[in-house]
Amino acid sequence: QVQLVQSGAEVKKPGASVKVSCKASGYPFSVYDINWVRQAPGKGLEWMGWMNPDSGNSAYVQKFQGRVTMTRNTSIRTAYMELSGLRSEDTAVYYCARRTGYYSFDNWGQGTLVTVSS
Amino acid sequence: DVVMTQSPLSLPVTLGQPASISCRSSQSLVHSDGNTYLTWFQQRPGQSPRRLIYKVSNRDSGVPDRFSGSGSDTDFTLKISRVEAEDVGVYYCMQGTHWPTAFGQGTKVEIK
Repeated sequence: QVQLVQSGAEVKKPGASVKVSCKASGYPFSVYDINWVRQAPGKGLEWMGWMNPDSGNSAYVQKFQGRVTMTRNTSIRTAYMELSGLRSEDTAVYYCARRTGYYSFDNWGQGTLVTVSS
Repeated sequence: DVVMTQSPLSLPVTLGQPASISCRSSQSLVHSDGNTYLTWFQQRPGQSPRRLIYKVSNRDSGVPDRFSGSGSDTDFTLKISRVEAEDVGVYYCMQGTHWPTAFGQGTKVEIK
């Protein structure tokens, strides 16, 4: 079955960077875009952008441009989201999600809590 | 950018009673290909979101048939015909028609 397994929780200081991984299994990795969505504590879902595992192309919401990079390693079927210049407002659970042809997300990772604190 | 507005934001429901959540978009969600890319997700406490409905009214495999989606253009609804205890959580609508993808604020369903 389709699975997206993310890396573990991280604690970072303001100004640092974090790189979250998302390992895919159960389907052809290169066929479906990987999207990243974050959720601040007690808040709603916020879409950050997407990455095409086949081409490596990516696109980001304007809010995160210049701070976020989405990449992949096809040999190990893993997508990555790196966020730099961390601030306290970036404290959130970060999810990867597989996008289907219906511009929708059918499978999600378990989430990675990133805490930014001095 | 398209803004997705859900109502109500909090929905106390009696077990076995119906529930309805509204989702309105600031622009038509009809894509140039003729499809409408409106999705509903359920997020139970402490869990990742789970897709329930895609393209307005298509229920995912394994989703109970008490969940149904309807609507068109800018006005969409998720209905639960008879709420069960396992339905407690937050429900989000999401549009994928326009860049950037956008979620509604979420509707918290709880048992009275």
